[in-house]
Amino acid sequence: KAGVTQTPRYLIKTRGQQVTLSCSPISGHRSVSWYQQTPGQGLQFLFEYFSETQRNKGNFPGRFSGRQFSNSRSEMNVSTLELGDSALYLCASSLAPGRNGELFFGEGSRLTVL
Amino acid sequence: QKEVEQNSGPLSVPEGAIASLNCTYSDRVSQSFFWYRQYSGKSPELIMSIYSNGDKEDGRFTAQLNKASQYVSLLIRDSQPSDSATYLCAVNRENNDMRFGAGTRLTVKP
Repeated sequence: KAGVTQTPRYLIKTRGQQVTLSCSPISGHRSVSWYQQTPGQGLQFLFEYFSETQRNKGNFPGRFSGRQFSNSRSEMNVSTLELGDSALYLCASSLAPGRNGELFFGEGSRLTVL
Repeated sequence: QKEVEQNSGPLSVPEGAIASLNCTYSDRVSQSFFWYRQYSGKSPELIMSIYSNGDKEDGRFTAQLNKASQYVSLLIRDSQPSDSATYLCAVNRENNDMRFGAGTRLTVKP
């Protein structure tokens, strides 16, 4: 069974640009969450999607957005990039949202903003 | 106060010893608790979940939960060098977003 697939794995952008990251969940998983990981802040919750609806959002500015498609694949977008957006962006899938919280993570997309 | 706090580490134990990792959380309505292991340069992987007070054992791993004290721990028995990683405590809050601790880096020395 294929795991969570994230693309691209690495990317370099400059300040002010925008970026789109993609996530394909494990087959049959309908919930997708996104996290930002940095050495200073650790893993921080961005948002969660289920059935194409954003169910929950973390404490990030509106420059961070996402969406989910009918096949459960998800994308996140960061506009007007800032140096502080440099991080590892992790996507996680689970069967369904709920209190179980058993997340399966992808390998991540490492974004560097210059 | 951080929502999920862990021993800052690093924690170093000799091979064969018991490694004890601790975590406290601030939100009393939290319902489910997890330990993830993250090797350097890799993504987190779930190793234990616990939902009710008490102990839960899985092989060499034992998770302990005390909701009254808002405390979760992970014991690794017979620690192996392959257990060397960062261990992340995670708490799923009532509004269904997962909060992670900063992680404790564990080194098991041969």
